[in-house]
Amino acid sequence: GAGVSQTPSNKVTEKGKYVELRCDPISGHTALYWYRQSLGQGPEFLIYFQGTGAADDSGLPNDRFFAVRPEGSVSTLKIQRTERGDSAVYLCASSFGGSGVTDTQYFGPGTRLTVL
Amino acid sequence: DAKTTQPNSMESNEEEPVHLPCNHSTISGTDYIHWYRQLPSQGPEYVIHGLTSNVNNRMASLAIAEDRKSSTLILHRATLRDAAVYYCILNAAGGTSYGKLTFGQGTILTVHP
Repeated sequence: GAGVSQTPSNKVTEKGKYVELRCDPISGHTALYWYRQSLGQGPEFLIYFQGTGAADDSGLPNDRFFAVRPEGSVSTLKIQRTERGDSAVYLCASSFGGSGVTDTQYFGPGTRLTVL
Repeated sequence: DAKTTQPNSMESNEEEPVHLPCNHSTISGTDYIHWYRQLPSQGPEYVIHGLTSNVNNRMASLAIAEDRKSSTLILHRATLRDAAVYYCILNAAGGTSYGKLTFGQGTILTVHP
């Protein structure tokens, strides 16, 4: 079956611009996570959705970052006034959402964001 | 959150077993031990998880120490495709960390032909 997909696979933008990154989770998965991975580091949690609502956004670094999931399926991560330090691979994961801590998270291939 | 400690890197030969250690001396009673791995240029993928008892699946085995302060991921016969970064992660039941994975640096596994 189809896994988690993310678009675009690569995004190059200029400092100060606005970008949107899209995540299509596995059909039927109610939980959705965004992570960010800098070069040579492990992924870092950004935000977690259960259904349409953001249940935990404690990992968002500042108010330039915002994410939505209006219909409980597709999610968009939005970054305003991008900075060079935002350059990273942005990973999306989804899980069934039924058992929380033991749910397997399925990751997408990521979007590589480069801010010039 | 409880922390995990893993070696930075390990090497193995193809078709030999690999034992990847993880220390988690501050683990709490409700922490599950998860292992994910990340192949080059891909997102992480689930390998295995456990709470107290040893676990086996088609990918690997997880051996958990009796005091739960350490665990070992066992790949029974390494293949070149197993070359990846392996992450040992503690995931606590309940609370605000519900489902959230906290990745460390992981162990880079190199498999030699």
